[in-house]
Parts: sequence; C-alpha cells; structure tokens
Amino acid sequence: QVQLVESGGGVVQPGRSLRLSCAASGFTFSSFAMHWVRQAPGKGLEWVAVISYDGSSEYYADSVKGRFTISRDSSKSSLYLQMNSLRVEDTAVYYCAKDYHDYGDYNDAFDIWGQGTLVTVSS
Amino acid sequence: EIVMTQSPATLSVSPGERATLSCRASQSVGSNLAWYQQKPGQAPRLLIYGASTRATGIPARFSGSRSGTDFTLTISSLQSEDFAVYYCQQYSNWPPTYTFGQGTKLEIK
Repeated sequence: QVQLVESGGGVVQPGRSLRLSCAASGFTFSSFAMHWVRQAPGKGLEWVAVISYDGSSEYYADSVKGRFTISRDSSKSSLYLQMNSLRVEDTAVYYCAKDYHDYGDYNDAFDIWGQGTLVTVSS
Repeated sequence: EIVMTQSPATLSVSPGERATLSCRASQSVGSNLAWYQQKPGQAPRLLIYGASTRATGIPARFSGSRSGTDFTLTISSLQSEDFAVYYCQQYSNWPPTYTFGQGTKLEIK
C-alpha cells in the first residue's frame, strides 16, 4: 500500500543540526512533488518545504529559509530534510506528505502523510 | 501572505446532527482549498480538495463548498469517528506556500 515512513527525529541542542528521512513505498515516487509539514506540540499545522517531482525546484517557509534544505533521492524513493541552526521554536512533529496528483504545478493538496517524527530542540 | 481563518475554534454537535465548519481566505485562492481531518496522535487525512471534491475513499457525508473567499465543510450526519480537529489549507499562491487555518475542534455535545 501507499506509505510514507519518517525517521531521524530526536533531541538536539539549539544551534545543532539534524537530518530527517522519509521512505516512500507503494507509488511512483519520482512522479510526485513532496513536502515537509510540522506541528508544534498542541498547535496547528505549518508547511515547511516542497521539492518538485524531479528535484529541480524547492521552496521554503520563511521561518526555515536559509536553515533547512529539502532533497530527494529517487533511486532510494526517499525524501530528506537537513535542518541546521536549530532553534527551540523548531520543536515539532515533522511529517512528510505527497502531492495528490502526479507531475503537479505545486497547486495541489497532500493526500498521503507519514506518521511523523518528533524533533525536540532543547538545551 | 495569505491568511486562513477558521471558525468556530470549537464546535459542539450531537451525533447524527449536521456540522458546518467555516474557513475564510484573506485574499483570493480560487478553488485551491483543501480540508483535512486530524485525530489525536494521528497524521492529517485529506478529505476535500479543489474546495468541493472528495478525496478517494471519503464518505459522501463530507462535502465542501465555496463562495468567493469563504469556504465551508459540511458533515451531514455526524458519526462517532468524525469527532476530530479539522484544518483548511490553501495551495494557491506563487511562489508556492501552503497556509493552514488554525483548526476547528469538533467535539461531542
């Protein structure tokens, strides 16, 4: 079945780095734009970043621009989020999600989500 | 920046009754609006996209509509499994940014 599984979360000190991974299965990974979305404890959803289906373009929320980098490896059907210069306010569950339609133009909803991985930034 | 405002923050409805949730965009997003359901400890689930199209496998009791920059999610006859938090999301602007509303908690009355 279609599935996304995140990993790589944990506890990290402010200013340090962490890399999240998302393993995709059950669909043609290379045909879909992919996203990272986060949710701080007890709060709502915040979109973080998107990468195009072919990896040629990426866009970020202002809150993470210059600190986070989204990437993908279609040979491994995997999505990544490199998080540098982490701040306390980056503490959240991080979800990966896929576009509903293939070869999209970014104007699309997110139909499949992973179960999330918790990142805690604390000294 | 497009701001999505949901109302009410909390909605108390009895099982079997109709629930109406609202979402307003601060500027035009066309029909590029989705609704998600999230239960505690779970990932969000896509219900509606394109303002009014049900996603695959979503029951017919869920429906969405649009009037200008105002959007509505209606659940026609609430089932026990429908009590959750609901988020609207716009996916309209360029460069791509995807804004969620703050959520509406649908609770049992």
